[in-house]
Amino acid sequence: GAGVSQSPSNKVTEKGKDVELRCDPISGHTALYWYRQSLGQGLEFLIYFQGNSAPDKSGLPSDRFSAERTGGSVSTLTIQRTQQEDSAVYLCASSPGQDGGSYEQYFGPGTRLTVT
Amino acid sequence: AQSVTQPDIHITVSEGASLELRCNYSYGATPYLFWYVQSPGQGLQLLLKYFSGDTLVQGIKGFEAEFKRSQSSFNLRKPSVHWSDAAEYFCAVGRRGNTGKLIFGQGTTLQVKP
Repeated sequence: GAGVSQSPSNKVTEKGKDVELRCDPISGHTALYWYRQSLGQGLEFLIYFQGNSAPDKSGLPSDRFSAERTGGSVSTLTIQRTQQEDSAVYLCASSPGQDGGSYEQYFGPGTRLTVT
Repeated sequence: AQSVTQPDIHITVSEGASLELRCNYSYGATPYLFWYVQSPGQGLQLLLKYFSGDTLVQGIKGFEAEFKRSQSSFNLRKPSVHWSDAAEYFCAVGRRGNTGKLIFGQGTTLQVKP
């Protein structure tokens, strides 16, 4: 079946502009994660959605970052007033498991964000 | 706090040689353990996972890993490396009973010499 998809694959934006990154998880997966991959920081957890529960936002680096998940499926990560340090690859993953269940995560190809 | 250490940033092996990538973790109990591979410009692909039971786990592409509780390690091995194995490899830890978010190591880049 179809895997996790992300769009756009590449995004170049000017400092100070807002950007939206989209993630389509695998159909039927209840859990959705956003991670950031950058040269200096490696792979960092950003936010986690599970069903209708309140999201775990503990990894968001600042209040310029927010995410939502509509209808338990598609998710959008929004970065406001982008800064150069936001340049990174943003990875989305989904998992079929609930809390205490499988944590096997399937990753999308990522969105490469470049802030100029 | 949980942490994952991959001591080798870069490894070069000859095609056909054996491979071992090291991973050590810090956690108060037995975590969930994973190895992912990332080819250039690609997302992460799960190679194998350990949840419980047999401490030697088999994965895709001929990889295996062994969980050693006493050493807090989960090293990845392959008996004979192929040129297509050149990629970056990430070890990751998930905490039982938690949201399932993963903590990743810094990654090991594997180069394969012909």
